[in-house]
Amino acid sequence: DVKVTQSSRYLVKRTGEKVFLECVQDMDHENMFWYRQDPGLGLRLIYFSYDVKMKEKGDIPEGYSVSREKKERFSLILESASTNQTSMYLCASSSLSPGTSGGRINEQFFGPGTRLTVL
Amino acid sequence: GQNIDQPTEMTATEGAIVQINCTYQTSGFNGLFWYQQHAGEAPTFLSYNVLDGLEEKGRFSSFLSRSKGYSYLLLKELQMKDSASYLCAVRSGNTPLVFGKGTRLSVIA
Repeated sequence: DVKVTQSSRYLVKRTGEKVFLECVQDMDHENMFWYRQDPGLGLRLIYFSYDVKMKEKGDIPEGYSVSREKKERFSLILESASTNQTSMYLCASSSLSPGTSGGRINEQFFGPGTRLTVL
Repeated sequence: GQNIDQPTEMTATEGAIVQINCTYQTSGFNGLFWYQQHAGEAPTFLSYNVLDGLEEKGRFSSFLSRSKGYSYLLLKELQMKDSASYLCAVRSGNTPLVFGKGTRLSVIA
């Protein structure tokens, strides 16, 4: 079974703190993604990575950065947390390129999520 | 950009059939996904369509019409445990999935 794990299920931080959210997958997937999910707004892509050391901005990268030093680990960093970053953060991974390959679907597998509250 | 629309909420009765629609506008269409997400949990993959037609998987089926930019998820013999949000997501070319805002389904007795 594919397993995507996230470092914390619940996290409470104060405004201005630096926050690290860690994501690890054990299926040797090339692609990793960070989303946030807010009521009424759905899942929005923050950053993604198709390879080690590689990162691409998603739809809402402002206020965030990422790091991918190893293939299995993708970290989301909030340099200076703000209250509007209170949200559910979801990590996902998938294999190869986002297109189909050899008939495989290459669907995204999600971690359990981290509910971050910034006070 | 892409635009994905699905109803915000639906209610259906246990044992019934419900159809959740999704319309999308995109260029370079490369697949449509349906995910199920129970409250407080991660989304889990349900189905995938890239060609026109119906894909059936047990009680769940998904339909795609590429020319109409339209898909639906059909849930038969509804059970209380089917109460969840259902997310439609579209892939275009080699870009990451873009998700709709989700449809919250409530199954009532």
